[in-house]
Amino acid sequence: QKEVEQNSGPLSVPEGAIASLNCTYSDRGSQSFFWYRQYSGKSPELIMFIYSNGDKEDGRFTAQLNKASQYVSLLIRDSQPSDSATYLCAVNIGGSQGNLIFGKGTKLSVKP
Amino acid sequence: KAGVTQTPRYLIKTRGQQVTLSCSPISGHRSVSWYQQTPGQGLQFLFEYFSETQRNKGNFPGRFSGRQFSNSRSEMNVSTLELGDSALYLCASSGDSRYEQYFGPGTRLTVT
Repeated sequence: QKEVEQNSGPLSVPEGAIASLNCTYSDRGSQSFFWYRQYSGKSPELIMFIYSNGDKEDGRFTAQLNKASQYVSLLIRDSQPSDSATYLCAVNIGGSQGNLIFGKGTKLSVKP
Repeated sequence: KAGVTQTPRYLIKTRGQQVTLSCSPISGHRSVSWYQQTPGQGLQFLFEYFSETQRNKGNFPGRFSGRQFSNSRSEMNVSTLELGDSALYLCASSGDSRYEQYFGPGTRLTVT
């Protein structure tokens, strides 16, 4: 059973702090890794994707991938109250594009 | 570019009925995937279509089926509805040779 694990939270950080979200996956064959943000009552929105070991930065977001440890993380710098949402980690285990396995998400709360 | 669209947005059905949901992908995207999201199970992959062919299927009963048309629009059908089928049904599309998936707003199905 291929799995993606995330702490459910809630993770609470003060405004302006760095939020660190973590995800582990079970399938060593996993090739592509994604972070989605989902506001309550809305659909998931893709915010970051990473395919190679190392860091990938996009604005206030940094995704980190360590395939040897089967670990992917998302850092949000200068957290804002508008970042309060559930963050979903998703993994494509290879083959076709369309089959993502999702973690159950980490709820992030940024306090003003 | 317009995003992924789904219709209807909300649906209430009775146990035993069947339902058809529709999805139009981002223009130029030929891969369409369907997911079910519930509070208990999170986001779970249903199936993926590419160029009118089912390319991948998740672990759902045969009551769940889908199809894709030549214009890449996709429909999913659930027959003999059960209370447990109440969920948010999400459609996502991907561009050719790309693994990033973009979600539509979803269809909220309630089975009574």
